Amino acid sequence: DVKVTQSSRYLVKRTGEKVFLECVQDMDHENMFWYRQDPGLGLRLIYFSYDVKMKEKGDIPEGYSVSREKKERFSLILESASTNQTSMYLCASSLETDYQPQHFGDGTRLSIL
Amino acid sequence: GENVEQHPSTLSVQEGDSAVIKCTYSDSASNYFPWYKQELGKRPQLIIDIRSNVGEKKDQRIAVTLNKTAKHFSLHITETQPEDSAVYFCAASPLIYNQGGKLIFGQGTELSVKP
Repeated sequence: DVKVTQSSRYLVKRTGEKVFLECVQDMDHENMFWYRQDPGLGLRLIYFSYDVKMKEKGDIPEGYSVSREKKERFSLILESASTNQTSMYLCASSLETDYQPQHFGDGTRLSIL
Repeated sequence: GENVEQHPSTLSVQEGDSAVIKCTYSDSASNYFPWYKQELGKRPQLIIDIRSNVGEKKDQRIAVTLNKTAKHFSLHITETQPEDSAVYFCAASPLIYNQGGKLIFGQGTELSVKP
């Protein structure tokens, strides 16, 4: 069974801090994704990566960056956290071939004060 | 790029009734359409999916239909039960060279099944 693990379920940070959200998957998936989930807006893609050291911007990359130094780990970085980045963040992974579902982690509820 | 619209945003049904959630997509090259269920406080989980070369797929009380010409697909839940209460997301996978696996999600439907 695919396991996608996010480092924290709940996180509280202050405005201006640099914030790291970590995600690890154990199924040797090529693709990894970071989403933001807000009520009524669904799942919005922030960044994704289809290989180590590769990254692509999603729909809402502003204010975020990512790092993928190893295949199993994908980090989301908030360079200078702001209150409008308070949200639920979901990580997912999938194989790179067609017709592949994404497997999600439990999410990190991030509050920026 | 691909855009997915999902309706309704909320749906309330009586236990035992059927529920239907509809999605439309814009990119005719999209070839894979999964549905996810997210219970309160939990991760989204895949419940059923369909490929573009199939018109309908069924798994017990859940079915998905796909109309490629009209570019819409629907989730049908029959004999609903209280444990079906959750947020449901549809998604479409656009065909992008070297980027297999990318999904574009709908806005979600909050289904409430009343006992």
